[in-house]
Amino acid sequence: QKEVEQNSGPLSVPEGAIASLNCTYSDRGSQSFFWYRQYSGKSPELIMFIYSNGDKEDGRFTAQLNKASQYVSLLIRDSQPSDSATYLCAVKVASNAGGTSYGKLTFGQGTILTVHP
Amino acid sequence: DTEVTQTPKHLVMGMTNKKSLKCEQHMGHRAMYWYKQKAKKPPELMFVYSYEKLSINESVPSRFSPECPNSSLLNLHLHALQPEDSALYLCASTPLTWYSGTDTQYFGPGTRLTVL
Repeated sequence: QKEVEQNSGPLSVPEGAIASLNCTYSDRGSQSFFWYRQYSGKSPELIMFIYSNGDKEDGRFTAQLNKASQYVSLLIRDSQPSDSATYLCAVKVASNAGGTSYGKLTFGQGTILTVHP
Repeated sequence: DTEVTQTPKHLVMGMTNKKSLKCEQHMGHRAMYWYKQKAKKPPELMFVYSYEKLSINESVPSRFSPECPNSSLLNLHLHALQPEDSALYLCASTPLTWYSGTDTQYFGPGTRLTVL
């Protein structure tokens, strides 16, 4: 089982619709959960992060976290063609190596979202 | 300032060349990271530095040699690379306490590397 799994894409939605992106994770020690947007050839851009159960809203974006179900999602309302990109779910766990604690991000494979006019 | 900068943006090198990638941040972060991202794949962690010391090497081949000369600067020295090493190389930084906190990891724009 992969550590972080995202719903397989690509996902295509019409402009103005709600895009729903899902992610499950296997490590119950995971602390924080991140959604990155990545345009082709560019670096990941942070959309949102969430660490408490429930919903977190920021503009057109809502992240939802359910730790009991090990599930995190991202909803994009009023989708725009400019939202077309690959969306990466990332999970942070605390690790220790050589006496040093550090945070490690594990990424899902990404979901390609296309918003068509 | 929440910016991580990387130079160069693009790099083309032959298999016998020696080159270096540079990453800089001025946010006071004491943890810095190198990631490698192949096309249509997620970023893969390569190295983690904390307090300018190498903490993690994710079994990266020795043709990649990281260096952290000071708290703001991270280099990746490249030597005798293979064509399959062509990828987007990303640098990131976090506060050192990020492992237990709720801050985020800041990515640089990346260096697109092509090995001929």
